[in-house]
Amino acid sequence: DTGVSQNPRHKITKRGQNVTFRCDPISEHNRLYWYRQTLGQGPEFLTYFQNEAQLEKSRLLSDRFSAERPKGSFSTLEIQRTEQGDSAMYLCASSSDRLSNEKLFFGSGTQLSVL
Amino acid sequence: QKEVEQNSGPLSVPEGAIASLNCTYSDRGSQSFFWYRQYSGKSPELIMSIYSNGDKEDGRFTAQLNKASQYVSLLIRDSQPSDSATYLCAVKGKQGAQKLVFGQGTRLTINP
Repeated sequence: DTGVSQNPRHKITKRGQNVTFRCDPISEHNRLYWYRQTLGQGPEFLTYFQNEAQLEKSRLLSDRFSAERPKGSFSTLEIQRTEQGDSAMYLCASSSDRLSNEKLFFGSGTQLSVL
Repeated sequence: QKEVEQNSGPLSVPEGAIASLNCTYSDRGSQSFFWYRQYSGKSPELIMSIYSNGDKEDGRFTAQLNKASQYVSLLIRDSQPSDSATYLCAVKGKQGAQKLVFGQGTRLTINP
């Protein structure tokens, strides 16, 4: 069990550019979540996948954000036309419906800075 | 009204004392409740889950749930400096829903 892996760890971009983050969940986990966290706040839910199906998406998420999980394995989160307000830590978490305590395992996150 | 509310603190407690962390939630249909701990610069990690009214104990940690009052709490007994962290309350809605909503977190400092 190597844990949830996220790449890159840090991303600095200019306003208006597109960025893409990758998340590799724990291999046997069928559930995958994306969250966004800013300093002093709790994680904010962005979207959720069960296998390859995107089942929930935050209404707060603008159409500049898109996420995919092809083949139900790794996931990517893309932000188009980045804005300074997108600067945050982007956290990925995975879980399994076989876990009785519904525990989410978080990756180390990708810190995005939009200049 | 926020879905999950916590006092952001900071909460300062002397070593060896009991730390009490509180959380309220707005969705009366919520079914599952969690406490995550987040050290500075690290990711959240689950420390307790609770599903039924009453108390649930795990070592020095006790989670308390009162669905009628829409209130969840976490007690940490014999607080240690290593307990200093931000504690996040998280709530999952109706049965079958997978969206986990976090509060803003309470920063706890244990003073030696």
